[in-house]
Amino acid sequence: NAGVMQNPRHLVRRRGQEARLRCSPMKGHSHVYWYRQLPEEGLKFMVYLQKENIIDESGMPKERFSAEFPKEGPSILRIQQVVRGDSAAYFCASSPSASGSEETQYFGPGTRLLVL
Amino acid sequence: LAKTTQPISMDSYEGQEVNITCSHNNIATNDYITWYQQFPSQGPRFIIQGYKTKVKNEVASLFIPADRKSSTLSLPRVSLSDTAVYYCLVGSIYNQGGKLIFGQGTELSVKP
Repeated sequence: NAGVMQNPRHLVRRRGQEARLRCSPMKGHSHVYWYRQLPEEGLKFMVYLQKENIIDESGMPKERFSAEFPKEGPSILRIQQVVRGDSAAYFCASSPSASGSEETQYFGPGTRLLVL
Repeated sequence: LAKTTQPISMDSYEGQEVNITCSHNNIATNDYITWYQQFPSQGPRFIIQGYKTKVKNEVASLFIPADRKSSTLSLPRVSLSDTAVYYCLVGSIYNQGGKLIFGQGTELSVKP
């Protein structure tokens, strides 16, 4: 049973380019969460999605960042016009149902974004 | 939202028992206590979760006193491979929706 898959594992972009990060949740999971981990810091929640719906995007920067989880295919975190401060590890997690803390979220290996 | 406080770092030696205590004075009635482990360059991994008293699984034990204002993760006989950052999380879907709120974590270093 494959776990949460993220690709690419490493992504290098120049300032001003777009970054697209993909996340395939575990089989049977319809809830996806994105977190960002800046160097030497803990993980920060960005956005929570169900199929075709954004449930909570309170942690998402207001500009340049967007996320989707279409009916078919992986969840996508999109960062437009990247800046150096976007360099971080981006982790995706999934759960079979709505999860606060009482249900485990399963994390992927992360995508490490480096902006030159 | 309940805030957690845990030591920034701890050192241990192989074979020892390690106890990491987390303070969460403002824990709410609906909140659960969950611990995650994160190795370098990997995503966090669930270790254990509890609501009150003691919980035990094949990896760790979790001790929660009656007032639930703190909790202690106990790792028996640690090995070098237990070197990681350990996060204590407190919350529930009722109080925070779907998000997990991570603090700084405790960086555990196990030495030979």
